Amino acid sequence: EVQLLESGGGLVQPGGSLRLSCAASGFSFSYYAMSWVRQAPGKGLEWVSTITGSGGSTYYADSVKGRFTISGDISKSTVYLQMNSLRAEDTAVYYCAKDRYNWNDGDYFDYWGQGTLVTVSS
Amino acid sequence: EIVMTQSPATLSVSPGERATLSCRASQSISSNLAWYQQKPGQAPRLLIYGASTRATGIPARFSGSGSGTEFTLTISSLQSEDFAVYYCQPYNNWPPLTFGPGTKVDFK
Repeated sequence: EVQLLESGGGLVQPGGSLRLSCAASGFSFSYYAMSWVRQAPGKGLEWVSTITGSGGSTYYADSVKGRFTISGDISKSTVYLQMNSLRAEDTAVYYCAKDRYNWNDGDYFDYWGQGTLVTVSS
Repeated sequence: EIVMTQSPATLSVSPGERATLSCRASQSISSNLAWYQQKPGQAPRLLIYGASTRATGIPARFSGSGSGTEFTLTISSLQSEDFAVYYCQPYNNWPPLTFGPGTKVDFK
């Protein structure tokens, strides 16, 4: 059974940093890309970032490029999202999602974690 | 950039009725379209990929159709657990990777 368990969310001041983690199990972690998708309160879904299975390639939405960094640890089957220079508009539930393939110029997501809330406020 | 629109924004349906949701792409995406269901307080769940293939464990009352720029998600006989927000998502078309704005299916 595929499981994705996010952690690391919380309240942070504007300009601050936070690192999210997503521990994966139930599939061969290195074979698939992993992504982060966020959802601001009462809003729709927004893709944030993807890392390929090997960790060799990363992709970012323009809204977070230069501020967020995605990384992965194959030995721990865990993907991370380091978020720096946080803004109020980054407030959202952040979902970890498993890509169906290994990027493929943008994938769909066959499994999702339960999400972790990030609140950026003073 | 491919822009997705979904209609209607809200669909009011009674249990047992048929629900038809539409998703339109600003340019052709072939059959590279996925549909997700999201219930309040829950993560999205993959329903359909390849425009018409049901994901594992998805009931047969959910069906998808379309190709190119026009797509439809049909729920043949709405059950109480189907009241949710439905999102479409094109793929294999990065950059960027986007979602439609969603259609909320609620009680009539």
